[in-house]
Amino acid sequence: AQTVTQSQPEMSVQEAETVTLSCTYDTSESDYYLFWYKQPPSRQMILVIRQEAYKQQNATENRFSVNFQKAAKSFSLKISDSQLGDAAMYFCAYRTNDMRFGAGTRLTVKP
Amino acid sequence: SAVISQKPSRDICQRGTSLTIQCQVDSQVTMMFWYRQQPGQSLTLIATANQGSEATYESGFVIDKFPISRPNLTFSTLTVSNMSPEDSSIYLCSVEGAGASYNEQFFGPGTRLTVL
Repeated sequence: AQTVTQSQPEMSVQEAETVTLSCTYDTSESDYYLFWYKQPPSRQMILVIRQEAYKQQNATENRFSVNFQKAAKSFSLKISDSQLGDAAMYFCAYRTNDMRFGAGTRLTVKP
Repeated sequence: SAVISQKPSRDICQRGTSLTIQCQVDSQVTMMFWYRQQPGQSLTLIATANQGSEATYESGFVIDKFPISRPNLTFSTLTVSNMSPEDSSIYLCSVEGAGASYNEQFFGPGTRLTVL
């Protein structure tokens, strides 16, 4: 079975600084998709960024970028120039036939 | 992307009763899913709602407890039957295949259910 592990239950970052959230996954598949979702206190899940496993280039969306290491089965999220609005739960997810989510990392942004 | 609405947004129910949650999408989608998220925890897939056929349930979830309907490509319902306090959770609808966003899931705002 595929599993997704987020080893950091909580993280904190100073406003305008950079933070990296870690995610590892276990799979025997070679073709899959990886996602980072953000869930603010309002609870609406928002897609932050996606990565196709067949692409070697790391995905980037404005201040959000990933470090995808396929051999190591690692998929970390880097948030640059952190803003107060980035405070949320962040979930890493893996998809082949269905979506599997990690336990989440709660990110606090300090002003 | 897709705009997804859920009704009700929250409810407080008595033990032994049932609640039906509605999920409406503003465009036709190929896949619809129902998740449960218990307080402070991650998302667990309940089932995939299949249009025109029976839903596909994940291990630990059964049709008698969580009947699902999907009459068309924009609407689905999840019923939580014979509720107990252990069913208190947030129930999330998600969709996939909206426009060109294949393999991406978009989520509704969720329904917060409290069972007394």
